[in-house]
Amino acid sequence: GAVVSQHPSRVICKSGTSVKIECRSLDFQATTMFWYRQFPKQSLMLMATSNEGSKATYEQGVEKDKFLINHASLTLSTLTVTSAHPEDSSFYICSARGGPNQPQHFGDGTRLSIL
Amino acid sequence: AQTVTQSQPEMSVQEAETVTLSCTYDTSESDYYLFWYKQPPSRQMILVIRQEAYKQQNATENRFSVNFQKAAKSFSLKISDSQLGDAAMYFCAYRSLASGGSYIPTFGRGTSLIVHP
Repeated sequence: GAVVSQHPSRVICKSGTSVKIECRSLDFQATTMFWYRQFPKQSLMLMATSNEGSKATYEQGVEKDKFLINHASLTLSTLTVTSAHPEDSSFYICSARGGPNQPQHFGDGTRLSIL
Repeated sequence: AQTVTQSQPEMSVQEAETVTLSCTYDTSESDYYLFWYKQPPSRQMILVIRQEAYKQQNATENRFSVNFQKAAKSFSLKISDSQLGDAAMYFCAYRSLASGGSYIPTFGRGTSLIVHP
């Protein structure tokens, strides 16, 4: 089945650091990738949608200068949390799909802890 | 806007027994998908089952089956012969198929399933 690889799985860093998370579709071309944030025992909150080669569409309340998303190829999207602060600590999940009617496949998630 | 409601924050079941997780949704559309996702402690979201709204037949996938009631906008998940490995958070999700839509799924708040040995 389709596989989405997300890296790293866990990051612990100091406040003020920028952190990059990668999301790769391993065996299909992902025209659309999604980035979610999940708080403990909560549902997934969509942060942004990115289509290959174009700017990401951010959900209301998500700072695009804080959460930089790049979808430069059909197999790779990156989320960079710039100047991270403790309140950015969370579980971040990416997902990818090949087309509008294709299933959405999820990465393993990244646990981000900002000290 | 579509909403997905999972009214059971937590459910328990004995191993080998059957459990049903509830999900209701609100939409004015006629074409859509409904999903159940499983998120075990390892945190990766796994698709359990998918239902196309135009299909009257309930989807099944081994021990997992759904009861899809389109008129009632209800989409419950039944897990038969529950196993310890079924313990996880289960999310119900809705995805529009409306022309010109973004096809972005809307997730419910989730139901935590506990399986007792």
